[in-house]
Amino acid sequence: SQQGEEDPQALSIQEGENATMNCSYKTSINNLQWYRQNSGRGLVHLILIRSNEREKHSGRLRVTLDTSKKSSSLLITASRAADTASYFCATRDSGTYKYIFGTGTRLKVLA
Amino acid sequence: NAGVTQTPKFRVLKTGQSMTLLCAQDMNHEYMYWYRQDPGMGLRLIHYSVGEGTTAKGEVPDGYNVSRLKKQNFLLGLESAAPSQTSVYFCASSSSDLIEKLFFGSGTQLSVL
Repeated sequence: SQQGEEDPQALSIQEGENATMNCSYKTSINNLQWYRQNSGRGLVHLILIRSNEREKHSGRLRVTLDTSKKSSSLLITASRAADTASYFCATRDSGTYKYIFGTGTRLKVLA
Repeated sequence: NAGVTQTPKFRVLKTGQSMTLLCAQDMNHEYMYWYRQDPGMGLRLIHYSVGEGTTAKGEVPDGYNVSRLKKQNFLLGLESAAPSQTSVYFCASSSSDLIEKLFFGSGTQLSVL
């Protein structure tokens, strides 16, 4: 399977704390993206980082990418109850337009 | 602007029956994708298309067929449904410019009895 893996599988934190989730992938990539899914609904794009970038920020989100380790991390700072959702990384293989998703992290933010 | 629309939203089939899931996008996107989501497995790519008239296999293509006769539509067919195909199916589309992010439909919940 080409599917990447994310850890932890589930994460429970208090409102205001930071949440960090990690993604590992298997192939050579063009870019890596993070998506959020609320309660089985469609996924929503959060942030994209290209293979030649090491870090990217967007609001309360910070993404890092280490292509030598084939891994990425997503940091959500000052979490809110509304951040409760599942988070997935997705990689686009180099030379293709296939997007392969990881297994996801279920985040629960307690008010 | 509707984005990506999937029909139907729910369907129950008996083993051996056939059906077609329809995905329609109104964003003039070149690329379209079909994924299935099962508990603990994340999303797995079934088939995808990089343009009208083209299709390609993803990670789990067996038991499914697809067609992209019109740029805005991507159809997923199950010729002889099996209980293992019980899943939530998501369609997504993407443009060919540098934005590259996927836009998802709201999903189809399919149960095969």
